[in-house]
Amino acid sequence: GQNIDQPTEMTATEGAIVQINCTYQTSGFNGLFWYQQHAGEAPTFLSYNVLDGLEEKGRFSSFLSRSKGYSYLLLKELQMKDSASYLCAVKGAAAGNKLTFGGGTRVLVKP
Amino acid sequence: GAVVSQHPSRVICKSGTSVKIECRSLDFQATTMFWYRQFPKKSLMLMATSNEGSKATYEQGVEKDKFLINHASLTLSTLTVTSAHPEDSSFYICSARDSGQHTEAFFGQGTRLTVV
Repeated sequence: GQNIDQPTEMTATEGAIVQINCTYQTSGFNGLFWYQQHAGEAPTFLSYNVLDGLEEKGRFSSFLSRSKGYSYLLLKELQMKDSASYLCAVKGAAAGNKLTFGGGTRVLVKP
Repeated sequence: GAVVSQHPSRVICKSGTSVKIECRSLDFQATTMFWYRQFPKKSLMLMATSNEGSKATYEQGVEKDKFLINHASLTLSTLTVTSAHPEDSSFYICSARDSGQHTEAFFGQGTRLTVV
C-alpha cells in the first residue's frame, strides 16, 4: 500500500518562510502533488513533481527526491490568506494510479 | 486550469431519504472521476473511482449499494447517498482528470451533506 506522512500543524509569521515536509512510501511512483485547502472548501492544485528537483511557481516551490521518498512545499513571503491546510498526495501504479492523500498540514499564519 | 462543477454545495436531508450529488467537467472530457469523503480536520478518503460507461470501482469498506455512482457521460458523474443516516453527514468532493492528460486532477467545490 501507500503511506504518506506530513506534520499535523505549523505556525509561522506573516512575511516569513515555511517548509512543509512530506515523506512517502509507494510502489510504482508516478508523481507527487501538493494541494491547498481552506476550511470548508475543496482543494486547489499547487504543484506537481515527477522528477527530482525543485519546481518554482511564484511564492510557492516544491521539491522532490524520489530516492529518499521525500518532498517539501516551500511557502515564501507568507500572507494571512495562506492560512490553510496543505495536502501532499502521491500517485502510484500499485494503487492503480489513484491519488493517495496524506493527513494534511494545517498552517496558521500570524501577524 | 480546467473547471469541475459540483452541485449542490450544501444539502440537508431527513434520515431515510436519498441525496444525489452531481459532478461535471465543464471544459474537458473525463473518462475517470473520483469521489472522496472528508471528515472535519481530516484528509480526503477515496470512496470510489467512477469510470465512464462502466461500473464504479469502490474502495475497501465502502458500501456500493449505499453510495451509488453513475458515470453516464464523459462530463458527468453522480453520487447518490441512499437511505441517508446522520453518520453519512460529511463533506463529499469529486475530482476529475482530463482524459488528454495524466497529471493533475481538478476538484469540484465539494458538497456539505447534513442528515437530520
